[in-house]
Amino acid sequence: DTEVTQTPKHLVMGMTNKKSLKCEQHMGHRAMYWYKQKAKKPPELMFVYSYEKLSINESVPSRFSPECPNSSLLNLHLHALQPEDSALYLCASSQEDRAGGQYFGPGTRLTVT
Amino acid sequence: DQQVKQNSPSLSVQEGRISILNCDYTNSMFDYFLWYKKYPAEGPTFLISISSIKDKNEDGRFTVFLNKSAKHLSLHIVPSQPGDSAVYFCAASANFGNEKLTFGTGTRLTIIP
Repeated sequence: DTEVTQTPKHLVMGMTNKKSLKCEQHMGHRAMYWYKQKAKKPPELMFVYSYEKLSINESVPSRFSPECPNSSLLNLHLHALQPEDSALYLCASSQEDRAGGQYFGPGTRLTVT
Repeated sequence: DQQVKQNSPSLSVQEGRISILNCDYTNSMFDYFLWYKKYPAEGPTFLISISSIKDKNEDGRFTVFLNKSAKHLSLHIVPSQPGDSAVYFCAASANFGNEKLTFGTGTRLTIIP
């Protein structure tokens, strides 16, 4: 199984809503990542979890809250988002020896109204 | 400050010919470089990587060249196939790891049958 899965595929939420994005991998990878990608822009790193601990937070606003319940799962909790947060949110994972690049999921297309 | 740049937003190549995608970087701490391919509505897919101790890495039809003095890398695809039509991102990281990737802006490659 060389797949990273993400749910939901699409999400529309209001600025007062609370929602969560989910990511799962069963490759035994020990590092997991959240990226944000706006149209015609490269992916931008948001968070990195290594061995289930948050190792990198790229100064992301607190309305985005990551969670890593176990080594296979990664969540991104969303609360009080702004319309400019609308983007494609990508999850990725990688091996502990960091070789071979990061494996990306298909992403969740988020629209904030 | 765009530390990784792909100056060609698009490139068209005849099927069977060589595709050459270019990438420049400014951060001299980068020592590990990767190329990703992205189809619409999918996450990026890892293609090939190279560390700064090498100047060339080959994998089937894909070869990556690194010129450290010029802070330049390129991806060669030979022969180009219609399925290669996609957006290609180069990415870079420091400390021989890939925990924190900085992506270029992407080049849309179109293979003309």
